[in-house]
Amino acid sequence: EVQLLQSGGGLVQPGGSLRLSCAASGFTFRHFAMSWVRQAPGKGLEWVSEISPNGETTYDADSVKGRFTISRDNSNNTLYLQMNSLRADDTAVYYCAKDVSTWPDYFDFWGQGTLVTVSS
Amino acid sequence: DIQMTQSPSSLSASVGDRVTITCRASQSISTYLNWYQQKPGKAPKLLIYAASTLHGGVPSNFSGSGSGTDFSLTISSLQPEDFATYYCQQNFGTPLTFGQGTKLEIK
Repeated sequence: EVQLLQSGGGLVQPGGSLRLSCAASGFTFRHFAMSWVRQAPGKGLEWVSEISPNGETTYDADSVKGRFTISRDNSNNTLYLQMNSLRADDTAVYYCAKDVSTWPDYFDFWGQGTLVTVSS
Repeated sequence: DIQMTQSPSSLSASVGDRVTITCRASQSISTYLNWYQQKPGKAPKLLIYAASTLHGGVPSNFSGSGSGTDFSLTISSLQPEDFATYYCQQNFGTPLTFGQGTKLEIK
């Protein structure tokens, strides 16, 4: 059974940093691209970042470019999102998601989500 | 970026009704179109990929169609568990983009 178990998140002040983690199991993690997708309160879904299976290629939305860094540890089947210079409009539930392939495609499994609140 | 526009934004219907949600892309995306269902407080679930292929375990009362710029998701006979928000998503190019969502409510 595929499982994506997220941790991290919480309340952070504007300008602060936070790291999200996503522990994967039930599939061969190193074979698939992985993404972070966020959802602001009461809003729709926004793709944030994606990383290739070997971690060498990443894609970032313009809204987070230069502030967020996606990474992965294939030896520990874990995906990360390092979020720096956080702003109020980064407040959202963040989901990790398994891509169906090695390229930005679509998502067949999702984590449970973790809330990030940026506020003073 | 490819913009995805869904209509309607919300829809009221009754159990047993047939409903259709549409999704329009700002440029042709062939059949690189996927549909998700999201219930309150839960993660999205993949329903349909490549415009018309049902993801494993998705009931057969869901169907998708379309190509190019215009797509639709049809639920042939609404069940109580189908009341949720539905999103389309294109994977023709990066950044991957979603529609704004269609909230399906019980009448």
